[in-house]
Amino acid sequence: DTGVSQNPRHKITKRGQNVTFRCDPISEHNRLYWYRQTLGQGPEFLTYFQNEAQLEKSRLLSDRFSAERPKGSFSTLEIQRTEQGDSAMYLCASSPGGGVGTDTQYFGPGTRLTVL
Amino acid sequence: AQSVTQLGSHVSVSEGALVLLRCNYSSSVPPYLFWYVQYPNQGLQLLLKYTSAATLVKGINGFEAEFKKSETSFHLTKPSAHMSDAAEYFCAVSDRPYGNNRLAFGKGNQVVVIP
Repeated sequence: DTGVSQNPRHKITKRGQNVTFRCDPISEHNRLYWYRQTLGQGPEFLTYFQNEAQLEKSRLLSDRFSAERPKGSFSTLEIQRTEQGDSAMYLCASSPGGGVGTDTQYFGPGTRLTVL
Repeated sequence: AQSVTQLGSHVSVSEGALVLLRCNYSSSVPPYLFWYVQYPNQGLQLLLKYTSAATLVKGINGFEAEFKKSETSFHLTKPSAHMSDAAEYFCAVSDRPYGNNRLAFGKGNQVVVIP
């Protein structure tokens, strides 16, 4: 069990550019979540995958954001035409599924995005 | 929507003293409650969780939390603080036991341990 990994760890971009982040969940975890964490705040839910299906998106996820999880393995989060307000830590978590009593979300180290 | 409130963004505690972090929840259904810890430049690590079994929950690193329905609280405690406890702590709630188990987090408590 190598844990959830995220790449890159840091990304600095100019306003208007597109960026893509990758998340590799723990092997055989069928649930995958994306959260966004801004300075001084707790993480906020963005979207959720059950295997390859994206089943829920938060209102925080504007049309400039898109997430995929092809084949139910790794996931990517793309932000188009970045804005300074997109600067945040983007966290990925995976869980094995089942009820809350057995389902725990394991978080990756996050990707810190800075939009200049 | 379910939510949690954590008061006091920064908490200072002397080494060896009691650590107490407060969390109050708002939920229209029986909640599932979690405490996570985040060390600098790392992801969140689960400390403990309440899932409607025992109201006193023991977690890792000597932490425990007690669910009190009458007070809508789930406070985190540790009898004796250690320097390694310096980190940010988040309380979270989920109202969905199956399917999308998305979490709603509080703003967090930054714990500083004074030698």
